[in-house]
Amino acid sequence: AQKITQTQPGMFVQEKEAVTLDCTYDTSDQSYGLFWYKQPSSGEMIFLIYQGSYDEQNATEGRYSLNFQKARKSANLVISASQLGDSAMYFCAMRGRVSNDYKLSFGAGTTVTVRA
Amino acid sequence: NAGVTQTPKFQVLKTGQSMTLQCAQDMNHNSMYWYRQDPGMGLRLIYYSASEGTTDKGEVPNGYNVSRLNKREFSLRLESAAPSQTSVYFCASRMDRGPRSPLHFGNGTRLTVT
Repeated sequence: AQKITQTQPGMFVQEKEAVTLDCTYDTSDQSYGLFWYKQPSSGEMIFLIYQGSYDEQNATEGRYSLNFQKARKSANLVISASQLGDSAMYFCAMRGRVSNDYKLSFGAGTTVTVRA
Repeated sequence: NAGVTQTPKFQVLKTGQSMTLQCAQDMNHNSMYWYRQDPGMGLRLIYYSASEGTTDKGEVPNGYNVSRLNKREFSLRLESAAPSQTSVYFCASRMDRGPRSPLHFGNGTRLTVT
């Protein structure tokens, strides 16, 4: 069974500062993947970034980067130079195999509020 | 591009009523999924369909049925709604079985069962 833990229910960050969102996971699989999604107040789910367990480098995508520490089973999302539009809920998710496909298991999410 | 379209956006049901949530994607994706989102619990998988003609249970399938009508459409049915099914429902699709392929989500259906 896989489990995703996001321990920060809510965070405040000042505009233009960086913020780190924690995500730890538990899996017995050797090959797995981690996704981060953003959910603004409008409700849609927006894919941000992906990290594979065998990727040699930490993933980056614009202002988003992943601090992937495999031995510690953590995949923290770093948002640099926060903007007001970054205010949203952020979900960490892990890919797991099912019989003929894969599924994503999600953490409970972290709400980020960016202050001007 | 429309992407993943869910209807309706909002719905209120009385306990015991039935309804079908519709989902259609125009991206020619093979896999489709239904999730529910509840406060403090993230998203939980209800059912998924790896390809046209196949469906399988996820984590929380009780009280739901699904139909993969064709490659584009994947519907979720509540036969006898219960207050515990009050939630936001998301449909998602994915292009292929490659590990990096993300899910693409619809905008959700907010369902209230009284």
